[in-house]
Amino acid sequence: DTGVSQDPRHKITKRGQNVTFRCDPISEHNRLYWYRQTLGQGPEFLTYFQNEAQLEKSRLLSDRFSAERPKGSFSTLEIQRTEQGDSAMYLCASPGLAGYNEQFFGPGTRLTVL
Amino acid sequence: SQELEQSPQSLIVQEGKNLTINCTSSKTLYGLYWYKQKYGEGLIFLMMLQKGGEEKSHEKITAKLDEKKQQSSLHITASQPSHAGIYLCGADGGNQGGKLIFGQGTELSVKP
Repeated sequence: DTGVSQDPRHKITKRGQNVTFRCDPISEHNRLYWYRQTLGQGPEFLTYFQNEAQLEKSRLLSDRFSAERPKGSFSTLEIQRTEQGDSAMYLCASPGLAGYNEQFFGPGTRLTVL
Repeated sequence: SQELEQSPQSLIVQEGKNLTINCTSSKTLYGLYWYKQKYGEGLIFLMMLQKGGEEKSHEKITAKLDEKKQQSSLHITASQPSHAGIYLCGADGGNQGGKLIFGQGTELSVKP
């Protein structure tokens, strides 16, 4: 257990529906990262927060994606009008004590869009 | 942009055998991170390497970063079924944000 939790662990939805995922990071760290991982590939960076501020967004994050981190604690990632290409594992990460790059990952949310 | 290439993409070894996984970067590495992932689960941090020539070990796993800081290897001695999984190398994305760039992963199977 890395101390990072994600909910739900699995989500199956129909194309066109909206979905929202939640990440609860290691509480004492001000940074939080979201990644997406498709089958057979390594994780790809989506976005990150420092406290409640979203400081960087990848080009992968289309207009249908939005992420928030109210109060600098938990974070949510919402996908609107889901497409089959959105099917992936969505991972949240929180830094460890050694620095920002020693990131500890949550178990992920696996999204399947039918 | 920086890219990481891992080899091999998959590996099947007999229990007890040694193995090596390689990670090559298109640019100088300022930090190289090894993770392990069980299928369908999150990533487990293994080791971080930052200095050229650095070598770290944890249990039967040893990771090295070459002097030029463009290649890293992960070596497992006397493999066990518990070593099975996907091994991923990650690198500092190069800006101050701390994002990681990952290789595509190496899937390891260990036959008992």
